[in-house]
Amino acid sequence: EVQLVESGGGLVQPGGSLRLSCAASGFTFRTYTMTWVRQAPGKGLEWISSIVGSSGAIYYADSVQGRFTISRDNAKDSVYLQMNSLRDEDTAVYYCARGGGMDGWGQGALVTVST
Amino acid sequence: DVVMTQSPLSLPVTLGQPASISCRSSQSLVYSDGNTYLNWFQQRPGQSPRRLIYKVSNRDSGVPDRFSGSGSGTDFTLKISRVEAEDVGVYYCMQAAHWPRTFGQGTKVEIK
Repeated sequence: EVQLVESGGGLVQPGGSLRLSCAASGFTFRTYTMTWVRQAPGKGLEWISSIVGSSGAIYYADSVQGRFTISRDNAKDSVYLQMNSLRDEDTAVYYCARGGGMDGWGQGALVTVST
Repeated sequence: DVVMTQSPLSLPVTLGQPASISCRSSQSLVYSDGNTYLNWFQQRPGQSPRRLIYKVSNRDSGVPDRFSGSGSGTDFTLKISRVEAEDVGVYYCMQAAHWPRTFGQGTKVEIK
């Protein structure tokens, strides 16, 4: 069974940084693309970044390009999202998902950017 | 970027009756491998999203057969043959043929 567990969310001031982690289990992690999706309060889903398992190719949404960095550690079956220069509008629940087609999701980590 | 447009955005339905959600893309979702990468997700209140349908019409494991997907090119539909109380939530289409991935705005299904 696919399991994805996010951690690292919390309250941060505008301009601050936060690092999210997603621990995966139940599948051969290194072969899968991993994806981060966020959902602002009361809003829809927004794809923000993916990292391909086989090639390590990385993709970002324009809204986070240059501020967020996705990475993975295949030895630890984990994917990360380093978030810098955080803004109020980055406040959201951040989900980790398996694959570019997102066939499995974690429970989400709440990130609140506020003074 | 590929724009995904869903309709309606709100769908009140009677238990046991059918429901249908439309999703249109601004570009073809046919990938170079010949497959069409259009997925549907369900998000029940207070829960994480869950994928229901992939590549237009393939149900994920454990998804009831009252859910079906159809369409081609740029025009797609999710149908629920007989709505049950557990189907309440928001449904999203998403294209996985192009980067960046993009979602529709979501359709809120509620019971009349």
